[in-house]
Amino acid sequence: AQKVTQAQTEISVVEKEDVTLDCVYETRDTTYYLFWYKQPPSGELVFLIRRNSFDEQNEISGRYSWNFQKSTSSFNFTITASQVVDSAVYFCALSEETSGSRLTFGEGTQLTVNP
Amino acid sequence: DAGVIQSPRHEVTEMGQEVTLRCKPISGHDYLFWYRQTMMRGLELLIYFNNNVPIDDSGMPEDRFSAKMPNASFSTLKIQPSEPRDSAVYFCASSRDSINYGYTFGSGTRLTVV
Repeated sequence: AQKVTQAQTEISVVEKEDVTLDCVYETRDTTYYLFWYKQPPSGELVFLIRRNSFDEQNEISGRYSWNFQKSTSSFNFTITASQVVDSAVYFCALSEETSGSRLTFGEGTQLTVNP
Repeated sequence: DAGVIQSPRHEVTEMGQEVTLRCKPISGHDYLFWYRQTMMRGLELLIYFNNNVPIDDSGMPEDRFSAKMPNASFSTLKIQPSEPRDSAVYFCASSRDSINYGYTFGSGTRLTVV
């Protein structure tokens, strides 16, 4: 069974600080996909990134970076030089090849960036 | 591309009433998903369709919930009769294929059953 754990329920930082959101997953599949979504206060869910299990290269997109480590079953998300607009709930999610299209979400991490 | 369109954005209804939530997926997306978000249970998959056919409805809470997709551009989620515990945000999402693309979510419908 697939499971995603985001142990950090809430994180509060001051603007310009770097912040890392943790995500640990469980799966028996060798082929799976990991996602991060952002849910700002307005409520919509915004897709940030997808990574498959065969690609452990870290990825950087502007101030965002993702660190995928199969050895520790983690897919952590770092925001560099955080801004107030980064305040949102961030969800990590997992999809297994054998489970079809089912996305299992973590509980989410509420990030608050204070000015 | 207009994105995934859900209606209504907000719905307040009395217990026992029928509620219908609507979704228009992105054109060309073969997969459509209904998710529910609550504080207690987080985001949970209710049902998903592939090419208008329901594939997995194991997340549908009970017989009061039903979902249909009569064509590629429209889906409904119906609750009858509604109960206060159904209060949640219901999201519709669509995807081009099963896994290789991230879902695109609609803005959600906030349902309040009083």
